[in-house]
Amino acid sequence: SQTIHQWPATLVQPVGSPLSLECTVEGTSNPNLYWYRQAAGRGLQLLFYSIGIDQISSEVPQNLSASRPQDRQFILSSKKLLLSDSGFYLCAWSAPGQATNYGYTFGSGTRLTVV
Amino acid sequence: ILNVEQSPQSLHVQEGDSTNFTCSFPSSNFYALHWYRWETAKSPEALFVMTLNGDEKKKGRISATLNTKEGYSYLYIKGSQPEDSATYLCAFDFGNEKLTFGTGTRLTIIP
Repeated sequence: SQTIHQWPATLVQPVGSPLSLECTVEGTSNPNLYWYRQAAGRGLQLLFYSIGIDQISSEVPQNLSASRPQDRQFILSSKKLLLSDSGFYLCAWSAPGQATNYGYTFGSGTRLTVV
Repeated sequence: ILNVEQSPQSLHVQEGDSTNFTCSFPSSNFYALHWYRWETAKSPEALFVMTLNGDEKKKGRISATLNTKEGYSYLYIKGSQPEDSATYLCAFDFGNEKLTFGTGTRLTIIP
């Protein structure tokens, strides 16, 4: 069966420090991968979307970047965190062409607090 | 900018009562609408995917209806139980593998 792992669960980082959040999927190949963020009082916002290794689209201009070094690994990064980067980050996957039929499967999330 | 609106933002319901809430979305370029349940300290979990106007889906005490012509979907919970406490999210699907989520309705069941 397929599983998705996301870590760390919580993170407190000072302004200006780097960030690396990792997400891996097991039990499937060539998944579509997504990073979403929920800022305080707001809905889930799509940050990055990837259909394959080195195929990543950024949905909103921001201080963050994403990489997909392996088929089932998706990393969210920042060189210098801003206070506005605080929020709850969720990784998700779907089988190619199947998001409409089955939706996404989400990871457990990372709560990032930038201080 | 695509607006997916959910109302109310939060809701308190007595255990045993039934309740419903709304998701509004653009009626043009509709492809599908998704409902998720997000319990505290857990991952969002897919409830329904709805594609056809007039669709009605049911899962236990939870059901959903879809009106694509007027751009809304209702989620109903019959005989609310404490385990129904969660945030319910709807998401608009353009058919391009990317979902646009509403802000959610936070439901609290009062024992």
